[in-house]
Amino acid sequence: AQSVTQLGSHVSVSEGALVLLRCNYSSSVPPYLFWYVQYPNQGLQLLLKYTTGATLVKGINGFEAEFKKSETSFHLTKPSAHMSDAAEYFCAVSLYGNKLVFGAGTILRVKS
Amino acid sequence: DTEVTQTPKHLVMGMTNKKSLKCEQHMGHRAMYWYKQKAKKPPELMFVYSYEKLSINESVPSRFSPECPNSSLLNLHLHALQPEDSALYLCASSPPLEESGYTFGSGTRLTVV
Repeated sequence: AQSVTQLGSHVSVSEGALVLLRCNYSSSVPPYLFWYVQYPNQGLQLLLKYTTGATLVKGINGFEAEFKKSETSFHLTKPSAHMSDAAEYFCAVSLYGNKLVFGAGTILRVKS
Repeated sequence: DTEVTQTPKHLVMGMTNKKSLKCEQHMGHRAMYWYKQKAKKPPELMFVYSYEKLSINESVPSRFSPECPNSSLLNLHLHALQPEDSALYLCASSPPLEESGYTFGSGTRLTVV
């Protein structure tokens, strides 16, 4: 069965530092992968997605992710963290039947 | 219009009440979803509608009853809920393609007393 695992339930970085949020997937076929962000008491917003083609995917708010089949990974990065990036981030995989399954989430804290 | 609108934003109901959550989108998406999110947990899929027909029910208790009256509207009827049903209920929509990704509403915060 396809699923995603997010490493680290909490990540803390200083403002201006690199953000790295880790996601590994398990799939017998190339998956469709997504990163979503959720601010407190709000819905989820799509940051970026990987379907086919280019393995480096650029998203909104300066985030990007690289699909690495050899490592079964889809880590999310941002070169320079901003205070407004503090939120919870979910990696997700799309299953047959248009069913989206989420990882456990990573809470990003940005220190001033 | 690129939004999914959910109403109400907050709802408090007793265990004997009947209430409904409403979700609306005007993006022409033909797939719509209900998710339940407990505190400090990821969203969990409840129902999927595709072309106004229920295609997935994730073994949700019958006290939750979904309805899709048309391609723009999705309801979730609630009856005889339990306190453990208190959660954030999220609606989403997408084109009926697995690679599309969803557009989520801001959710209804439900408290059962």
